[in-house]
Amino acid sequence: EAQVTQNPRYLITVTGKKLTVTCSQNMNHEYMSWYRQDPGLGLRQIYYSMNVEVTDKGDVPEGYKVSRKEKRNFPLILESPSPNQTSLYFCASIPGGSNTEAFFGQGTRLTVV
Amino acid sequence: AQSVAQPEDQVNVAEGNPLTVKCTYSVSGNPYLFWYVQYPNRGLQFLLKYITGDNLVKGSYGFEAEFNKSQTSFHLKKPSALVSDSALYFCAVRDRGAGSYQLTFGKGTKLSVIP
Repeated sequence: EAQVTQNPRYLITVTGKKLTVTCSQNMNHEYMSWYRQDPGLGLRQIYYSMNVEVTDKGDVPEGYKVSRKEKRNFPLILESPSPNQTSLYFCASIPGGSNTEAFFGQGTRLTVV
Repeated sequence: AQSVAQPEDQVNVAEGNPLTVKCTYSVSGNPYLFWYVQYPNRGLQFLLKYITGDNLVKGSYGFEAEFNKSQTSFHLKKPSALVSDSALYFCAVRDRGAGSYQLTFGKGTKLSVIP
């Protein structure tokens, strides 16, 4: 089944403790992206990747890192999480071809205390 | 820069009545437009998209949307609402001339269908 898989689905952590949210897609898509969803703000892009070893900042990159060492994986890294990073996070992928829709993971609800 | 506006935070409609969820956009070139739906504790599901051609686009679950270039709008519609349509709806735009895959989303509209 074609899908984007995020782990974990839920995470509660403490301020300053490094964490990684994994994202994997099995559709051989070139483009992958991370969003955060906050009430009243919609989805805002954190980072995106056009292909392996090609990443770039989105609209809200501060406090986050990403890597793209393999085409299928695009982990989101919070080196020192803070309470303002408490949010719902989504990973998405898009296949090559300019008119295609994005495929989303199920989301990761992160709480930083 | 591209942007999307969803002017209504919430839309309430009675079951069986027609529904409209509004969306306007801004891009420097021509747009690709999308609607996604999010049910509680779920990810975003694709509903429909406008690429080119017919301004009326039909999608999943009986939804449709009308592209209006002069008004830069892409409103989501359904002739007869179901209680199960209650969810959060997001409009998104991508500039087809920008050479990127960047999607910009609106803030979302919560649809409540009242039995």
